[in-house]
Amino acid sequence: AQSVSQHNHHVILSEAASLELGCNYSYGGTVNLFWYVQYPGQHLQLLLKYFSGDPLVKGIKGFEAEFIKSKFSFNLRKPSVQWSDTAEYFCAVESGAGSYQLTFGKGTKLSVIP
Amino acid sequence: DGGITQSPKYLFRKEGQNVTLSCEQNLNHDAMYWYRQDPGQGLRLIYYSQIVNDFQKGDIAEGYSVSREKKESFPLTVTSAQKNPTAFYLCASSPCAGCEQYFGPGTRLTVT
Repeated sequence: AQSVSQHNHHVILSEAASLELGCNYSYGGTVNLFWYVQYPGQHLQLLLKYFSGDPLVKGIKGFEAEFIKSKFSFNLRKPSVQWSDTAEYFCAVESGAGSYQLTFGKGTKLSVIP
Repeated sequence: DGGITQSPKYLFRKEGQNVTLSCEQNLNHDAMYWYRQDPGQGLRLIYYSQIVNDFQKGDIAEGYSVSREKKESFPLTVTSAQKNPTAFYLCASSPCAGCEQYFGPGTRLTVT
């Protein structure tokens, strides 16, 4: 079965610090990759996605992620975080062509201190 | 406004009672999903439906049941057989396999 690992349970950063959240998955075939974000009191929403092509993908609010196939990784980055980035971040993987199922990681809570 | 609605936002039930959570979407999406979110556990798939009158079990289907009689509706019943039903339940929809999923606001169920 597919599994998704997010390395950090809780990350605490000061504003303007750089962010990198790790995500590794276990499936060896073709995958579609997603990062979702859940701001306090809000719906889970898509941050960015990778289906194919350029392994460096850009999302909303200055976030980006890099797909490294050889490492089964899809790490999320932001050069300079803001207090408003405080949220929980989930990595998700859809494995296999035509699959409707997403496997989510356990999430990483990000707290940004002003 | 297009989107997914879940009702109610908070739900309280006594142990031993079945309870049905509502999920409606007006996005004209074929696929709908139910997830359970517990602290530190991420989202775990309960059931999903690719098309009307068809649904499949996810990773944690035991103690749950669903129906998909209409494209826009995908209710989830938490039965008395579910051993630990207290959780936050999220409904989602997507237009195709592998596509982005759109999430509703969730229902927090407390069973005592």
